[in-house]
Amino acid sequence: GENVEQHPSTLSVQEGDSAVIKCTYSDSASNYFPWYKQELGKGPQLIIDIRSNVGEKKDQRIAVTLNKTAKHFSLHITETQPEDSAVYFCAAGPILTGGGNKLTFGTGTQLKVEL
Amino acid sequence: ETGVTQSPTHLIKTRGQQVTLRCSSQSGHNTVSWYQQALGQGPQFIFQYYREEENGRGNFPPRFSGLQFPNYSSELNVNALELDDSALYLCASRLDRGQETQYFGPGTRLLVL
Repeated sequence: GENVEQHPSTLSVQEGDSAVIKCTYSDSASNYFPWYKQELGKGPQLIIDIRSNVGEKKDQRIAVTLNKTAKHFSLHITETQPEDSAVYFCAAGPILTGGGNKLTFGTGTQLKVEL
Repeated sequence: ETGVTQSPTHLIKTRGQQVTLRCSSQSGHNTVSWYQQALGQGPQFIFQYYREEENGRGNFPPRFSGLQFPNYSSELNVNALELDDSALYLCASRLDRGQETQYFGPGTRLLVL
């Protein structure tokens, strides 16, 4: 089955700096790679996702890159703000038209943006 | 907010008991997945339901079972509770089984004593 590793487990940055979180996956059948933000007491919230036919995607201050050959993908947050502080999860999985879609999550990165 | 609701928000049970957790999908979504999230860990896939039938299962024993109703709301049932079942249980809905994007509810925090 799929195995997703995520680093670092904690990340502390100064407000305005950039933050980078990296993930690797093992199953070449995975073709969908979402990133979720989870605040305390809440469910994961999708912030950006990328499909295997795309190498990079950007949405305002957030970008994701994917290297299929190396089986790794990264989340980049620029101009960090205190409200970016949360736990971030990467995930990977196959998306099949017939369903049975199963996402495997990383272990999470606690991001702290300090003033 | 995602439009996915779960009940109850918190629950305390004792070992050996049974529990039922409920999820209401986002309007129009016919597919729901359930995840278990232990403290400090990422969510782990339990199973998915599409149009009232199980449509994929993770590495969880049969005492974890589910139901999906005609209105696409869903239940997760866990029998013979064990201490290790203490976790946040999340449901996520998607528009259709072949769609990538899924939206999570706030979860139910289960504590087994």
